[in-house]
Parts: sequence; structure tokens; C-alpha cells
Amino acid sequence: EVQLVESGGVVVQPGGSLRLSCAASGFTFDDYAMHWVRQAPGKGLEWVSLISWDGGSTYYADSVKGRFTISRDNSKNSLYLQMNSLRAEDTALYYCAKDPTPYYDSGRGYYFDYWGQGTLVTVSS
Amino acid sequence: EIVLTQSPGTLSLSPGERATLSCRASQSVSSSYLAWYQQKPGQAPRLLIYGASSRATGIPDRFSGSGSGTDFTLTISRLEPEDFAVYYCQQYGSSPPKVTFGQGTRLEIK
Repeated sequence: EVQLVESGGVVVQPGGSLRLSCAASGFTFDDYAMHWVRQAPGKGLEWVSLISWDGGSTYYADSVKGRFTISRDNSKNSLYLQMNSLRAEDTALYYCAKDPTPYYDSGRGYYFDYWGQGTLVTVSS
Repeated sequence: EIVLTQSPGTLSLSPGERATLSCRASQSVSSSYLAWYQQKPGQAPRLLIYGASSRATGIPDRFSGSGSGTDFTLTISRLEPEDFAVYYCQQYGSSPPKVTFGQGTRLEIK
């Protein structure tokens, strides 16, 4: 059974930093790209970032580019999101999500077949 | 960036009725790379449809997706009580990857 468990969400002041983690199990983690998706309270979904299966390629939404860094440790089956220069508008539930297409498959990924339950980040003074 | 606009914002129907949800893109979605998700209160989203019309694993066949180019539709043929939720469309056709979601359609019990 695929499981994604996020952690690290807390209340942080504007301008502060935070590192989110996602522990993955139930699948061959290093075969798949992984994503972070967020949802502000009472709002819709916003894709944040993507990292390739080997960590060699990363992509970001314009709203977080230059402030957030996605990374992974395949030896620990873990995904991370380093968040710097946090703003009030970064307040959201942050989901870790799995890409459906393994790297050796020519099919298109960049959608999400499994999601964690999310970790809440609140940016407030 | 491709902007997705979902309509209606809220859809009020009764169990047993047919639901038709629309997702319109600001420009053509490459190769019909469009997905649909269902989200219930307090839960993570669940993948329903990918590639515009392929059902994800375990999704009942009352859910179907159609469309291409800029116009896509999610149809629920006969609503069950557990289908009342918020539905989001998402495109993944951009290169380099720039995933975007629609704003959601709330499907509520009439």
C-alpha cells in the first residue's frame, strides 16, 4: 500500500524558514518523480514543485521560485521542501504527491496518483 | 501559463441524477493531458481521470471524462451520496512542466 506522510508544518513568522518532509513507502520511491501541492485554507489546489526520480531536474511554480527548494534522499525514501523568505500567502496545507509514471516509462506524468494527508504551514506574526 | 476555468462554481443535484462538470482551458491542452480529482472535506484529493478520459484504478464506471483541445467534461452518470464533493481539473501538458488546476466545482446535494 502506497503511503505518503508529511511532517514539519508549524507556525512561522513572515520572513522565516521551514523544512517540510515526506516519508514514502509501499512503492519503489526512486523510480518516480515527486511533487508538492498546496491548498490555502478554504481555497483550491496549487502545484508548488516537482523533482525527477533522480533529483536531477526540478521545477517550481512562479509564486515560489527562488524561495523554495525541493530535494529528495532516495536512500531514505524521503522528499523535502525547504521554504525560505516565507510570506503570509504561503499559509496552506502542503501535500506530498506521487507522479504516476516511472522514469523508464515513456508515458507522460506530471499528475498525481497518490497524495499524503498534508502538513499545515501557517505564516503569521 | 494555461488557465483552467471550471463551471459551474456550484452544482446542486439529487442522488440518481446526472452531473456534468466543465473545464475550459485558455489555450489548447497538449495531447489531452488533463486530469480530474475529487476532494471531500478534510481529505486529500483523489485521482479520478487522467489523459482526459482514462479512469484511474478503482474508480467506478459512473465517472467518465471527455474532451480535447480547450474543452473538457467530467460526467457522473448517476449520482451516489458519496459523490457530493469538490471536483478539480488539472492540466499537465506544458513543457517545461507548469501544472495548473481549475478553481473547482462544488457538487452539493439538492
